[in-house]
Amino acid sequence: EVVLRQSPGTLSLSPGERATLSCRASQSVSSYFLAWYQQKPGQAPRLLIYSASTRATGIPDRFSGSGSGTDFTLTISRLEPEDFAVYYCQQYGSSRRTFGQGTKVEIK
Amino acid sequence: QVQLVQSGAEVKKPGSSVKVSCKTSGITLSIYATSWVRQAPGQGLEWMGGIIPISGIANYAQKFLGRVTISTDESTGTAYMELSSLRSDDTAVYYCASAYILARGVIIGDYWGQGTLVTVSS
Repeated sequence: EVVLRQSPGTLSLSPGERATLSCRASQSVSSYFLAWYQQKPGQAPRLLIYSASTRATGIPDRFSGSGSGTDFTLTISRLEPEDFAVYYCQQYGSSRRTFGQGTKVEIK
Repeated sequence: QVQLVQSGAEVKKPGSSVKVSCKTSGITLSIYATSWVRQAPGQGLEWMGGIIPISGIANYAQKFLGRVTISTDESTGTAYMELSSLRSDDTAVYYCASAYILARGVIIGDYWGQGTLVTVSS
């Protein structure tokens, strides 16, 4: 199974700052099949990005994804108060999908 | 409007089994990739397994092989996840999620149930 490792574990930032989250895979992942999710306490995850760089419907353009091979990045250009949450990457190209362990973006 | 409505919370004894249902509406279950994802208290998301659209074949995470069974009933639009030989560390919120995925990984719709808390305790 593909192991996804996210870093950092926690990111402490202020509203308006830029957030850069990393997702590294144990083996090459097709960029067609790399997604990012946002989860807030008590809620189900919400799809932000699929195919590594395509925003899902209704996702603001301050969210962007990039990367290929084994290294992928989620960038939030200017943090809004509602963006403080936990973010997960997921690969969905293999028969066995996997999630990263998550990055918590907290208010500094 | 798409909805995935899961069955209610469960309390189970160690060694027993639990079966969680996920009733869908607004989608054609057979063409959606339906997965089950769990989240232990304070922990991250863990993919347990899923159904490949059209074929109906289930794939499972290595960790759960032999202990989990995922199925769908297309006549009612309901997905099921059964987990056996329950242990205390199976205590978690269990989510169903259905996605319509085109070629090259394009996700047209990604929908989640509200989650079902399964507590395993003696």
